Amino acid sequence: GEDVEQSLFLSVREGDSSVINCTYTDSSSTYLYWYKQEPGAGLQLLTYIFSNMDMKQDQRLTVLLNKKDKHLSLRIADTQTGDSAIYFCAENPNDYKLSFGAGTTVTVRA
Amino acid sequence: DTGVSQDPRHKITKRGQNVTFRCDPISEHNRLYWYRQTLGQGPEFLTYFQNEAQLEKSRLLSDRFSAERPKGSFSTLEIQRTEQGDSAMYLCASSGGLAGTNEQFFGPGTRLTVL
Repeated sequence: GEDVEQSLFLSVREGDSSVINCTYTDSSSTYLYWYKQEPGAGLQLLTYIFSNMDMKQDQRLTVLLNKKDKHLSLRIADTQTGDSAIYFCAENPNDYKLSFGAGTTVTVRA
Repeated sequence: DTGVSQDPRHKITKRGQNVTFRCDPISEHNRLYWYRQTLGQGPEFLTYFQNEAQLEKSRLLSDRFSAERPKGSFSTLEIQRTEQGDSAMYLCASSGGLAGTNEQFFGPGTRLTVL
């Protein structure tokens, strides 16, 4: 979606942290989401954050939200080979529709 | 029922033919969504149902596309007179529909190739 932007590629060494960034445009989004897509598969919901929060931690995942700058990030601690995938940021500008970015392809190298 | 299922997973057709895809949502979910994803892009919203009512359609959904959810459970998406530009992954998702997070759970998708 043109309203959500992400960098296209990220290469990270196994064991390091990955940080995936996203900017969105719709300040009315109540929730913001991160999805993961492995090759040939559908999307797996990883986590989400409520718009009045600035941080959410869920095991190895940390979501940071800067609502003023409309910036969202996903940090994956101790990145593993199984984390190699495409990660999508999505905003929820209304009650039903999700608007996705083009996705960030994360490659984990040994 | 452990998730959203879609059938078929792959469909190859010739231009001009009609195709129909099926989606079975998570059983207790009352909302069902269709998205389309092309290579290198994120999913784009097509339409959604609350129970059996189709409440919103994207401008992407041309008059060759029709979706139904007759009993408020499974849904079908039909494309008539397919064109090469219809080649994409068609994703279905469902959600509980209650006021809350609108977490949408996606199926594995149907990959359509129009020759």
